[in-house]
Amino acid sequence: ETGVTQSPTHLIKTRGQQVTLRCSSQSGHNTVSWYQQALGQGPQFIFQYYREEENGRGNFPPRFSGLQFPNYSSELNVNALELDDSALYLCASSLGGGDQPQHFGDGTRLSIL
Amino acid sequence: GENVEQHPSTLSVQEGDSAVIKCTYSDSASNYFPWYKQELGKGPQLIIDIRSNVGEKKDQRIAVTLNKTAKHFSLHITETQPEDSAVYFCAARGSTLGRLYFGRGTQLTVWP
Repeated sequence: ETGVTQSPTHLIKTRGQQVTLRCSSQSGHNTVSWYQQALGQGPQFIFQYYREEENGRGNFPPRFSGLQFPNYSSELNVNALELDDSALYLCASSLGGGDQPQHFGDGTRLSIL
Repeated sequence: GENVEQHPSTLSVQEGDSAVIKCTYSDSASNYFPWYKQELGKGPQLIIDIRSNVGEKKDQRIAVTLNKTAKHFSLHITETQPEDSAVYFCAARGSTLGRLYFGRGTQLTVWP
């Protein structure tokens, strides 16, 4: 059974740029959630995708957007990057719209210069 | 929304001793409480979870207890080993399906 995989593992961008992060869900999982984890903090919920639709959103501005594809993989897009966007971005997959346990990938470390 | 508080922020124990981490939550509608272990450079790994219709759950050296009335839950690790050293996060799933609210984490260090 393949776990959650994320790419890239590390990324360096400058303020104002745009970034796309990718996530492949665990085999058989149809729900993907994205979290932002700042240094020394717990993960903060960004949004969740189920059946290719956004299924809940946390307190993040519209420049954070996402997609889910028919194979359940997902992308997180962030426009107009700010210094405070520097963080570890985590993807978690689960079954059935979020009522089941969430399993995390190892994340993408995004640094904004 | 839900608010999860976690204590202590750091915990040092001798190998073989027990470790206890405590969390409180604010939303009485929360019904699912997972615990995650995060090692350096890795994502959070689910180690145990409990649903609101159960008061206690055990898996080998790890146990979780839930007190719905007091709105708190705890992680107990017995016979600790150096490889248990990591950051542990508690979380609660609130009334919004799928969204997890995390505590700020506990850095556990087990000394040989």
